Amino acid sequence: EADIYQTPRYLVIGTGKKITLECSQTMGHDKMYWYQQDPGMELHLIHYSYGVNSTEKGDLSSESTVSRIRTEHFPLTLESARPSHTSQYLCASSEFNGTYQYNEQFFGPGTRLTVL
Amino acid sequence: KNQVEQSPQSLIILEGKNCTLQCNYTVSPFSNLRWYKQDTGRGPVSLTIMTFSENTKSNGRYTATLDADTKQSSLHITASQLSDSASYICVVSDRGSTLGRLYFGRGTQLTVWP
Repeated sequence: EADIYQTPRYLVIGTGKKITLECSQTMGHDKMYWYQQDPGMELHLIHYSYGVNSTEKGDLSSESTVSRIRTEHFPLTLESARPSHTSQYLCASSEFNGTYQYNEQFFGPGTRLTVL
Repeated sequence: KNQVEQSPQSLIILEGKNCTLQCNYTVSPFSNLRWYKQDTGRGPVSLTIMTFSENTKSNGRYTATLDADTKQSSLHITASQLSDSASYICVVSDRGSTLGRLYFGRGTQLTVWP
């Protein structure tokens, strides 16, 4: 099982609150990702990072922000949560070997966010 | 447009039976295709990965096939167990950028009944 962790696993919060979803990996992977997944739907990439101090937006527009100050840590922040942010958020990481083409992404268990 | 389509959307089988899940993709240029298993409330876990030159790959009771010409893949599960109940996701990677962009299908929700 991959050594990638997410906390909290479940979060129910009111509209307007600021939240941070934590993601940590102990594999020393340089590349990390955040995905959003709704029930019965495909995963959508919302943020990714090539390494420390690198953050990029993914394909799906998101009001969340991310930071990468340490290799092992890639937190996602919502400044003001809204009901439309209700979803499952999955963090993943992969190792760079000169090309990303064949590298497996290892996923964390996910955070189920519900905004009331 | 790069897409990954899976069928069926859901499937119910009895324990001990075999089943086959399908995946069609339009991703180009193709790099590799993975099948992931996602248990409810968990993150996806890789089952198999196949590159352009590979036609079949096995992992225990899971056997994946790939036809790069028709852009189709299948995942065959033999002698199903209750623990096989999960969503099975087909994921295709392109080689058009250093990102190693992944395209996800919506998954097939498999339920195994005793």
